[in-house]
Amino acid sequence: QSALTQPRSVSGSPGQSVTISCTGTSSDVGGYNYVSWYQQHPGKAPKLMIYDVSKRPSGVPDRFSGSKSGNTASLTISGLQAEDEADYYCCSYAGSYSWVFGGGTKLTVL
Amino acid sequence: EVQLVQSGAEVKKPGESLKISCKGSGYSFTSYWIGWVRQMPGKGLEWMGIIYPGDSDTRYSPSFQGQVTISADKSISTAYLQWSSLKASDTAMYYCARRGPHPGYYFDYWGQGTLVTVSS
Repeated sequence: QSALTQPRSVSGSPGQSVTISCTGTSSDVGGYNYVSWYQQHPGKAPKLMIYDVSKRPSGVPDRFSGSKSGNTASLTISGLQAEDEADYYCCSYAGSYSWVFGGGTKLTVL
Repeated sequence: EVQLVQSGAEVKKPGESLKISCKGSGYSFTSYWIGWVRQMPGKGLEWMGIIYPGDSDTRYSPSFQGQVTISADKSISTAYLQWSSLKASDTAMYYCARRGPHPGYYFDYWGQGTLVTVSS
């Protein structure tokens, strides 16, 4: 299993929108609607932001949204805020009780 | 409140053994899978494996099969990750995480992490 491909970094100004892509294969992202996204602030544990491609857990702002097309999933953060600056990881179920993470994307709020 | 509390940081020498723990509370420990995730210094998340404490069904990432052992003691609501012979390359932060409610293909609660440092 190879790691899913994410851009190493993205940036945006407060109030703007940014989108982080996550590209896999037909064996993971493309094969299942089970992509999740995690936010990780420095020195902290990851936090679930999106699951099942586009569902938001309770307490996650609706500024965070997810989508998928083919082998690529995307996380969009609208109305960027300073506290959104963090690392973001996608994760996909890959069958047979296995999961694969993306390499992570560093979001900088300018 | 669901909580996963991991054991404290460890400093070990190459060749030594180690077992770190992850104690669940606030939910039915035997009804949810627990996964382990590695994060090497300055690097991304890597899925290592997962265990169902109810019957100890365990699955490993091919990258970690044979390198670590995942286990659980349901009587004390605790999952474990262990090494028989540590290497310097095992230096990393290790997280446990609860797999979401059935059919949940995501990890909804995470432990605070256990930092393992292996150095001679």
